[in-house]
Amino acid sequence: AQSVTQPDIHITVSEGASLELRCNYSYGATPYLFWYVQSPGQGLQLLLKYFSGDTLVQGIKGFEAEFKRSQSSFNLRKPSVHWSDAAEYFCAVGAQSSGDKLTFGTGTRLAVRP
Amino acid sequence: GAVVSQHPSWVICKSGTSVKIECRSLDFQATTMFWYRQFPKQSLMLMATSNEGSKATYEQGVEKDKFLINHASLTLSTLTVTSAHPEDSSFYICSAAPGAFNYGYTFGSGTRLTVV
Repeated sequence: AQSVTQPDIHITVSEGASLELRCNYSYGATPYLFWYVQSPGQGLQLLLKYFSGDTLVQGIKGFEAEFKRSQSSFNLRKPSVHWSDAAEYFCAVGAQSSGDKLTFGTGTRLAVRP
Repeated sequence: GAVVSQHPSWVICKSGTSVKIECRSLDFQATTMFWYRQFPKQSLMLMATSNEGSKATYEQGVEKDKFLINHASLTLSTLTVTSAHPEDSSFYICSAAPGAFNYGYTFGSGTRLTVV
């Protein structure tokens, strides 16, 4: 069975600082990996996804993530955080062999300090 | 493109009554939709997979008689919480994919259910 771990429950960064949110997954084969963002009381918005090919993927809002098979990681990064980036971030893993279901991590809540 | 509309955004109901939540794919057809439940400050828990024209597939531990799912068309899936109780209060979110799985899922904006 697939699983996702997001080690950091809360992270606070200053506006303009760089950001890295950690995600580790467990899956036997190459998984499909996703990062979603959720604002309070809202649904989820897809930031980026990885299936194959270039291990560094670019997403919306200036986010990028790097797939590292050797570390079973898919960390999300942004070089300069904006106050509007404050939200909950979820890493998810999926596979066609599991019926196209997504398994979500527990999320990381990002606060941005002025 | 790839918009999923969920209605209502919030609902308050009395214990013992039933509540229906709608999930619509506005600009694409979805043979499969997913229903999640999210408790405050927690992650999303998959409740069931809704399949157009057939019975939903429920995750282990989810009561299918309490959470009725109907996927009557390629653009609409409904979740009915029957005989609701305060412990059913939660945030319910649906999702669908406009194409192949690797396209990525689009999520509705969620429904906040409060049972009093």
